[in-house]
Amino acid sequence: DIVMTQSPDSLAVSLGERATINCKSSQSVLYSSNNKNYLAWYQQKPGQPPKLLIYWASTRESGVPDRFSGSGSGTDFTLTISSLQAEDVAVYSCQQYYGTPYTFGQGTKLEIK
Amino acid sequence: EVQLVESGGGLVQPGGSLRLSCAASGFTFSNYWMHWVRQAPGKGLVWVSRINSDGSSTRYADSVKGRFTISRDNPKNTLYLQMNSLRAEDTAVYYCARGTGFGVLDIWGQGTMVTVSS
Repeated sequence: DIVMTQSPDSLAVSLGERATINCKSSQSVLYSSNNKNYLAWYQQKPGQPPKLLIYWASTRESGVPDRFSGSGSGTDFTLTISSLQAEDVAVYSCQQYYGTPYTFGQGTKLEIK
Repeated sequence: EVQLVESGGGLVQPGGSLRLSCAASGFTFSNYWMHWVRQAPGKGLVWVSRINSDGSSTRYADSVKGRFTISRDNPKNTLYLQMNSLRAEDTAVYYCARGTGFGVLDIWGQGTMVTVSS
């Protein structure tokens, strides 16, 4: 199974500042035939289901604010929130869909400093 | 409105069975692969199972293989998860989610809680 490891486990950032969350996979999730990284990011607010933010490592889902961006390739990925808003307080999880079993990172809890 | 609504959760004794349902609306259910994902209290997300659009292909996490069965009824727009031989470690919120054709989960239900305890 592909193990997804996120860092840090928790993060406190001031409003308007940048937040950066990292995700590392135990093997590459880059599919060579189409040059796509099979990596998604989800946001989960307390008491709510997860919400898809980004897929193919860097493609924003429709309706997701452009302050959210994803980057990386192969085994190392980053989710960046360029200017933290109060409504961004949540747990963020990465997921690989390169192959089953699809696996998630342990989650990173983002709070306001 | 695109929507997934789970039902069927509850309290069950170890070794017992439960069937979860997920009612889909607002989209052509028969065109999409569907998934179950669970989340134990205070823990991360764990993928459980997926089924392709016509129900001919399924996959399971090793932790549930041989005990859980995913199925679907396309005319009824409903996804199911039959859970047998339940264990305490199966206690979690179970979400159904729509797959985009790969493994991206773009629509999620609100979840249904399953508690396995004597």
